[in-house]
Amino acid sequence: DSGVTQTPKHLITATGQRVTLRCSPRSGDLSVYWYQQSLDQGLQFLIQYYNGEERAKGNILERFSAQQFPDLHSELNLSSLELGDSALYFCASSVDGTSLNEQYFGPGTRLTVT
Amino acid sequence: ILNVEQSPQSLHVQEGDSTNFTCSFPSSNFYALHWYRWETAKSPEALFVMTLNGDEKKKGRISATLNTKEGYSYLYIKGSQPEDSATYLCAFIEDSGYSTLTFGKGTMLLVSP
Repeated sequence: DSGVTQTPKHLITATGQRVTLRCSPRSGDLSVYWYQQSLDQGLQFLIQYYNGEERAKGNILERFSAQQFPDLHSELNLSSLELGDSALYFCASSVDGTSLNEQYFGPGTRLTVT
Repeated sequence: ILNVEQSPQSLHVQEGDSTNFTCSFPSSNFYALHWYRWETAKSPEALFVMTLNGDEKKKGRISATLNTKEGYSYLYIKGSQPEDSATYLCAFIEDSGYSTLTFGKGTMLLVSP
């Protein structure tokens, strides 16, 4: 158990809908990262937050947004969902915003868009 | 777009065999390299964070080396066990002022008893 929690574990929804994925980092970790794992793709970095502020953005679609709250939990919002958004979404946390420390991954949320 | 390649894509060995695989990354603007182990139905778990050319890290039977000048890292597993079966991912971090990881697609290792 990495100490990172993600809810829900599974989500099935229809095209055009909006969903929110939630992540709680390990106790003491200030940085949260979101990743997408699609079929035949490696882990794709979406966005990073550090202590409530957006730190870095990857290949995140405009339909997707995220935020980190004062208690450091983070939410990833996916809207106008398309079939291609079906994927495993991971949240990871690390103690600081650098990459000199390992990231701890949550169990993931599997999103299926029908 | 950064190119991080891992080879081989998959590997099947017998229990007790030693094995190694490669992660290739751009040799310029190196900042750090991470190795993760990802077992089926679980989430990736950190193995090593490597930052200096010539770095060697070891955890039990697993070790890794780093050559930033030529842009590669090797992961070695000595005396493979069935519980080593997993996908091994490397992730490159460029010295760009950001700390984002670019992952390779992984090497899937299967160790048969």
